[in-house]
Amino acid sequence: EIVLTQSPGTLSLSPGERATLSCRASQSISSKLAWYQQKPGQAPRLLIYDASNRATGIPDRFSGSGSGTDFILTNSRLEPEDFALYFCQQYANSQWTFGQGTKVEIK
Amino acid sequence: EVQLVESGGGLVQPGGSLRLSCAASGFSFSSYWMHWVRQTPEKRLVWVSRINSDESSTNYADSVKGRFTISRDNAKNTLYLQMHSLRAEDTAVYFCARRSPDGGFFDYWGQGTLVTVSS
Repeated sequence: EIVLTQSPGTLSLSPGERATLSCRASQSISSKLAWYQQKPGQAPRLLIYDASNRATGIPDRFSGSGSGTDFILTNSRLEPEDFALYFCQQYANSQWTFGQGTKVEIK
Repeated sequence: EVQLVESGGGLVQPGGSLRLSCAASGFSFSSYWMHWVRQTPEKRLVWVSRINSDESSTNYADSVKGRFTISRDNAKNTLYLQMHSLRAEDTAVYFCARRSPDGGFFDYWGQGTLVTVSS
């Protein structure tokens, strides 16, 4: 099983600040990585796929980078609606796995 | 508009059974692979199972293999998850999710249905 480790567990920032979230895979997954945002009581929403492609309708303040084992999700300027839980997910094989999540909270 | 609506969750005793449903609309259901993903009380997302478009191929997480069965009815645009021998650790919100045609990620998710396994 490919283990995904996200860091930090919690990110405390103010609106307007830059957020940098990390996801590390236990083995190489090429670019087979997605990022999701989840707000309380809601389903996860796809943000980024193939490590760096924004999903339809996702604002360009969100960007993804990385390949192999190390990946980054960046939010260049936090809006109030961006404070949420973020997960990475790998789809390099037929045992899909998720990271444990990073909570972005208001400082 | 793509919609996925889960139902069938509830409280069940350990060892019991439950069948979840996911009604799909707004897209050609029969053309898409579908998945079940659960979210634990600790908010961890855990992939559960996957089925291809014509039901000829399925995959399961080791934790549910032999106890859960995924199926679909393309005529009814509905995905199912039959769960047997339920354990306390199966307690979670269960989401159905559509596999994107562009890759193995999930482009649409339902709102989830809560399964609680407790005596």
